[in-house]
Amino acid sequence: GESVGLHLPTLSVQEGDNSIINCAYSNSASDYFIWYKQESGKGPQFIIDIRSNMDKRQGQRVTVLLNKTVKHLSLQIAATQPGDSAVYFCAENSGGSNYKLTFGKGTLLTVNP
Amino acid sequence: GAGVSQSPRYKVAKRGQDVALRCDPISGHVSLFWYQQALGQGPEFLTYFQNEAQLDKSGLPSDRFFAERPEGSVSTLKIQRTQQEDSAVYLCASSYSDRGSGNPDTQYFGPGTRLTVL
Repeated sequence: GESVGLHLPTLSVQEGDNSIINCAYSNSASDYFIWYKQESGKGPQFIIDIRSNMDKRQGQRVTVLLNKTVKHLSLQIAATQPGDSAVYFCAENSGGSNYKLTFGKGTLLTVNP
Repeated sequence: GAGVSQSPRYKVAKRGQDVALRCDPISGHVSLFWYQQALGQGPEFLTYFQNEAQLDKSGLPSDRFFAERPEGSVSTLKIQRTQQEDSAVYLCASSYSDRGSGNPDTQYFGPGTRLTVL
């Protein structure tokens, strides 16, 4: 079935560098996308979301880009810190659902001091 | 303020035992969700409540899984006759409103219950 997927399962960066985590989605009916951060032993923590009527949204040190033409989503983290080390998941509202989320497999981000 | 809480945090069960997992959502949140997260995977939707009404249980893997939210607040996920393939982290999430139309509200997750079936 259609699902959200990630290109890179692991990403290792140096402290202070910028990080980019990518995600491909295949359900063209999805119109709401979210990035979650999950640290070991914890539940997913909301980072930022974006609706399909936008192509870019910025938060504190994070930016989400949405390219609906190629069905691609990315999360950019500026000046990556050791505390950013975690698994990052993108999620979509399944086929336009107003409640159900479909998650990708996740990318493990490791920040080296 | 307090976030979503779940108990127990860890549960070990022998195959064939019944288990009950509890979720306390954020106070005032109308919507409640259960997800199952296998090791190394993203969470997968199990079921959705709007207040006490279970509006979607399409993700429950078998009739051994049962969820309830009788008073529209605390929810319990029950698994009967547990099997080894039920081993996973069970996550609960809540959101403020039901959103009859439009995009969903942000879902806030609890820490999860790690279930291990021996």
